[in-house]
Amino acid sequence: GDSVTQMEGPVTLSEEACLTINCTYTATGYPSLFWYVQYPGEGLQLLLKATKADDKGSNKGFEATYRKETTSFHLEKGSVQVSDSAVYFCALSTGNQFYFGTGTSLTVIP
Amino acid sequence: EAGVAQSPRYKIIEKRQSVAFWCNPISGHATLYWYQQILGQGPKLLIQFQNNGVVDDSQLPKDRFSAERLKGVDSTLKIQPAKLEDSAVYLCASSLDGGGTPYEQYFGPGTRLTVT
Repeated sequence: GDSVTQMEGPVTLSEEACLTINCTYTATGYPSLFWYVQYPGEGLQLLLKATKADDKGSNKGFEATYRKETTSFHLEKGSVQVSDSAVYFCALSTGNQFYFGTGTSLTVIP
Repeated sequence: EAGVAQSPRYKIIEKRQSVAFWCNPISGHATLYWYQQILGQGPKLLIQFQNNGVVDDSQLPKDRFSAERLKGVDSTLKIQPAKLEDSAVYLCASSLDGGGTPYEQYFGPGTRLTVT
């Protein structure tokens, strides 16, 4: 069945370091791909999305490119801030179905 | 615009008791979802409504869980009787349309349930 696998955490980085969180997917159709972020004590928020191969989603300095050949949608940011500390979830949608990864906790220290 | 509202935010019950959660989606959103998020895991879809009809409830443990969405607006999720393994955060989300096109889900803050 359809599924998402993302790198396990927790991840701890110093401020201004580069971030990559790996995400790969398995899908029978042509899914849309998402990254959601969950800040402490809050609900999930959409961070970025891509709906077809080679699309790049971007928001708040984060980017992810839909790579069909490697079935990946890695999340990247060139310089993280303390305020980026959160749990990040990769997700895919094939129409009505929505599948989330297990989440990667990121802590950014000053 | 107002976001997805959920209540209560926290609930502690003993096993075998019953509990109900309430969700009010964003106005105009046709599709409503209930997810279960166990600590350390990603959200798992329990049930999806489009208007007041059920689209998918394949992962809802129907022997103890039930959900309804009267009049296609707000929704309640009930657990009766609760088990220890039901301890989780229950998330409600809504979207404009779940009809097969890419869409964004808007999530509420969740209800944290602890079953003792």
